[in-house]
Amino acid sequence: DTEVTQTPKHLVMGMTNKKSLKCEQHMGHRAMYWYKQKAKKPPELMFVYSYEKLSINESVPSRFSPECPNSSLLNLHLHALQPEDSALYLCASSPAGVPGELFFGEGSRLTVL
Amino acid sequence: RKEVEQDPGPFNVPEGATVAFNCTYSNSASQSFFWYRQDCRKEPKLLMSVYSSGNEDGRFTAQLNRASQYISLLIRDSKLSDSATYLCVALTGANNLFFGTGTRLTVIP
Repeated sequence: DTEVTQTPKHLVMGMTNKKSLKCEQHMGHRAMYWYKQKAKKPPELMFVYSYEKLSINESVPSRFSPECPNSSLLNLHLHALQPEDSALYLCASSPAGVPGELFFGEGSRLTVL
Repeated sequence: RKEVEQDPGPFNVPEGATVAFNCTYSNSASQSFFWYRQDCRKEPKLLMSVYSSGNEDGRFTAQLNRASQYISLLIRDSKLSDSATYLCVALTGANNLFFGTGTRLTVIP
């Protein structure tokens, strides 16, 4: 079982809705990530938080808004999404000093109608 | 040009076979490399890190050739449970991880 917990597992939302995806880890990792994955494609990096500060934003549209309330939690706030934003959203964390060793959550499967 | 490119596959091999996957990366500044596996509709999981000298973990061997910007993964004595998509990953900078498109492996009984 993964030690990174994501909720909800499935989310269906309309284009005018506001929703949030949540991610939690208790491994003491200090880097946390949001990835987006479409079917039969690799994960694409969206955001990286390092020591609770946003360190990478891969030119993600502002309708996606990340938040890192503390070292264990990572949120992704969603507003005015488009149908093409439908995808699996994966949260991951990595230990300090070992940035390539990611521990992924099971993902939140988002459908935008 | 993509940061990381892989054999598209799919690879369909019989149980017990040896199979090799290749991966090339375009950014010479990439400093670390990894292989992940992803089962259908599951999250990616780290399979192994790739060290300059090459490394082995049981039936799996990873090699890195910095001069050619090339990474490989060899799986010996394939098991049915090895069926998955194998993702090559390159780390550039502090936390910027680029995933290859993945190579799908199916091991046939």
